Amino acid sequence: ETGVTQSPTHLIKTRGQQVTLRCSSQSGHNTVSWYQQALGQGPQFIFQYYREEENGRGNFPPRFSGLQFPNYSSELNVNALELDDSALYLCASSDRAGGSYEQYFGPGTRLTVT
Amino acid sequence: AQSVSQHNHHVILSEAASLELGCNYSYGGTVNLFWYVQYPGQHLQLLLKYFSGDPLVKGIKGFEAEFIKSKFSFNLRKPSVQWSDTAEYFCAAAPRTNAGKSTFGDGTTLTVKP
Repeated sequence: ETGVTQSPTHLIKTRGQQVTLRCSSQSGHNTVSWYQQALGQGPQFIFQYYREEENGRGNFPPRFSGLQFPNYSSELNVNALELDDSALYLCASSDRAGGSYEQYFGPGTRLTVT
Repeated sequence: AQSVSQHNHHVILSEAASLELGCNYSYGGTVNLFWYVQYPGQHLQLLLKYFSGDPLVKGIKGFEAEFIKSKFSFNLRKPSVQWSDTAEYFCAAAPRTNAGKSTFGDGTTLTVKP
């Protein structure tokens, strides 16, 4: 069984640029959630994708967008990067069939915006 | 709005000391509760979870947590900590059937001195 993987591991971008982060869900999981973890804080829910549709969104602006593909992998896109977007971005997968009671996290992508 | 608060930002203990980390939540509706652990250099992993039933739940590595509904609390305990328990601990709350929409506390860093 393959766990949740994320790429890239680290990324440095300049303010105003755009970035795409990628996540492969754990085998058999059809739901992907994205979280932002700023330094010294807990993860904050960005949005969730279930069967290729957005299924709920946290308090993040529209410049944070996502996609889910037929194989359940997912992308997080952030446009017009701001310095405050510097954080660890976590992806978590779960299986919503019958109710999703656990999620499994990937190692995260560390984004630095300069 | 949902919120989770963790009482202690940083806890320092000696090996064999007892541990209790506080967590309080504010959540509309039925909630599932979780404790996650993040060891240095590793990704978030589930320590234990509460859905229903016995309010005392046991997790991995000798950890347990008690759900007290009247106090909206879900405190984490361990009778005797080890140096290897040094890590960051996060409390989280989620809707009953969707763990992927979790609200996290800001974490407690536990340092265990040998």
